[in-house]
Formats: sequence, structure tokens, C-alpha cells
Amino acid sequence: QKEVEQNSGPLSVPEGAIASLNCTYSDRGSQSFFWYRQYSGKSPELIMSIYSNGDKEDGRFTAQLNKASQYVSLLIRDSQPSDSATYLCAVKGNTGKLIFGQGTTLQVKP
Amino acid sequence: GAGVSQSPSNKVTEKGKDVELRCDPISGHTALYWYRQSLGQGLEFLIYFQGNSAPDKSGLPSDRFSAERTGGSVSTLTIQRTQQEDSAVYLCASSLAGQNSGNTIYFGEGSWLTVV
Repeated sequence: QKEVEQNSGPLSVPEGAIASLNCTYSDRGSQSFFWYRQYSGKSPELIMSIYSNGDKEDGRFTAQLNKASQYVSLLIRDSQPSDSATYLCAVKGNTGKLIFGQGTTLQVKP
Repeated sequence: GAGVSQSPSNKVTEKGKDVELRCDPISGHTALYWYRQSLGQGLEFLIYFQGNSAPDKSGLPSDRFSAERTGGSVSTLTIQRTQQEDSAVYLCASSLAGQNSGNTIYFGEGSWLTVV
């Protein structure tokens, strides 16, 4: 079992729709959870971080964490073509080691 | 600049040669990470340095790979006897103390390695 798992996609949504990206992790001791966005040929950039169960909202983005189910998700409301990218889920354990999932490719069609 | 700096940005090397990739983290950042990303793939963890602690080398794929961090700052990733499957972008990242969940991790622009 991979430490951090994501569906590779591609996930295709029409412009204006909600995109839902999901991630599961194996280490129950994980403390911190991150979503990064990566455009082709570029380095990852941080979108959201979440540390406690529940929802965290920032603009059009909402991160959701359920530690009991070892599940973290990212919702993108009012999706725009510029949101088309690969979204990487990352999980940090208590030693500080940060592990990434394989990423989900999102395509937002005009 | 104030960001994570990596060099070289691009490197083409012949199979069997050794290569060194350099990472200069953000000043004051005690945590430093190396990842490898092959085309169309996710980020593969290689190694993690945190202050003066022994590095977590659990992601290094073989004994041809090694990394060091001198003086708690600059890090060098060395790949000996390169193989074609080593072709990838090597990403370095740094943050304030890695164990602190609130510290943002910043990535460099990567070193693109091609082994021919």
C-alpha cells in the first residue's frame, strides 16, 4: 500500500462546476496535510494546509480532513480553466518527513 | 534571491558518469528535502535533513545515490554511475523546523537531469 494515494485522473469538469479531489493516507500518526498545485514544467506551489478534522476554507478552495477515515480532500468551487493542473496531496508525519501522492490531473473545460 | 536555489537547472550527462546537484535553501531553514519527479509522475521522496539530526535516507533508490548537507545549509545530491532511468527533475525544498506542522515548505525550480 502506498503511503499517500490519489486517483491519477484526469478529472474533467466544466467551467463553473465544483471539482472534488481526494486523497487517502496510511500513517495514522500523520499530523499535517497539504494540497499543492503543479503546472506542467513548474514546481509545486502550496494551495492549502489543514491540521485538524473538519473543513478549512480559503476563497474558492476548501480542504476537508477526516483523520478517523485517513482521508483528506480538496474542493474547488467555480472551477476556472486556469485551475487546470495536477493537484498533489502531501502528508507530514511527526518527524517532519513529507510524502506526496502521485497527483490528480484536473481539466476544466470552458 | 530569497528563494530556494538549485543548480544546475539543466544537465545532460552520459550514462555511467557521476553528477552532482546543488541546493541552497532559504536562509534560516533547518529542514531540507530532496524529491525526484519523473515525467508525468508524482514526487518521489529521496532524503530529508532536519537540523543536526541524522538524515532520513529511506527514499534513496540505490547506493548510487547519496546526499550531504554541509554546515546545516547547502546540500548536494550525488548520483554515481548514472543510468537512463535516473532521468528526471530533482526538486529541493526547505522549511523552518520540519516537525512544526505550521511551517510552509518552499520548492526550488528543480534540476532537470537527462542521461543519454
